[in-house]
Amino acid sequence: KQEVTQIPAALSVPEGENLVLNCSFTDSAIYNLQWFRQDPGKGLTSLLLIQSSQREQTSGRLNASLDKSSGRSTLYIAASQPGDSATYLCAVRIQGAQKLVFGQGTRLTINP
Amino acid sequence: SQTIHQWPATLVQPVGSPLSLECTVEGTSNPNLYWYRQAAGRGLQLLFYSVGIGQISSEVPQNLSASRPQDRQFILSSKKLLLSDSGFYLCAWRQGPNTEAFFGQGTRLTVV
Repeated sequence: KQEVTQIPAALSVPEGENLVLNCSFTDSAIYNLQWFRQDPGKGLTSLLLIQSSQREQTSGRLNASLDKSSGRSTLYIAASQPGDSATYLCAVRIQGAQKLVFGQGTRLTINP
Repeated sequence: SQTIHQWPATLVQPVGSPLSLECTVEGTSNPNLYWYRQAAGRGLQLLFYSVGIGQISSEVPQNLSASRPQDRQFILSSKKLLLSDSGFYLCAWRQGPNTEAFFGQGTRLTVV
């Protein structure tokens, strides 16, 4: 059974810092991995999708990496801003199934 | 561009009452559609998915049902709500099995 873990559960950093969020998964048989952000009481906003054959994807100040063999992904946020405050979720699309398996998320707070 | 709409945003319903949540996608055809539930401390759980009109697959046994009466419309229903049905319900779509998933803004359901 695929399990996805995100550590830490919460993170608070001052504005301007570069930071890394971690995601690990137990079964490397995945099609892809997707990072989302969720603002309080809102839906999920897709940030980046990495296919299993890819090593990384970039969008603006965000960079996501994928090491399928070790079951790890990281989301790097450069020059953090207060508007980056949200819960960040990673999810893997497992082979042979339609569903995304989600981690519990990391609640990020950027302090001005 | 494609958009996804979910309504209502919030709903308070008494135990034993019926439920109907709607989700529609615009700007695409034949999307894969999904209903997830997000409960506090339990992460996101896939409830139903559909890869075509009239085709519904259930991931977990429960008090809910889903229907897809039109290509871009997905409905989540219940005949009699239970307290345990309370939660945050999210509709999602993607074009193909390995493409990016997009989520709606969610419906906060409170059963009282």
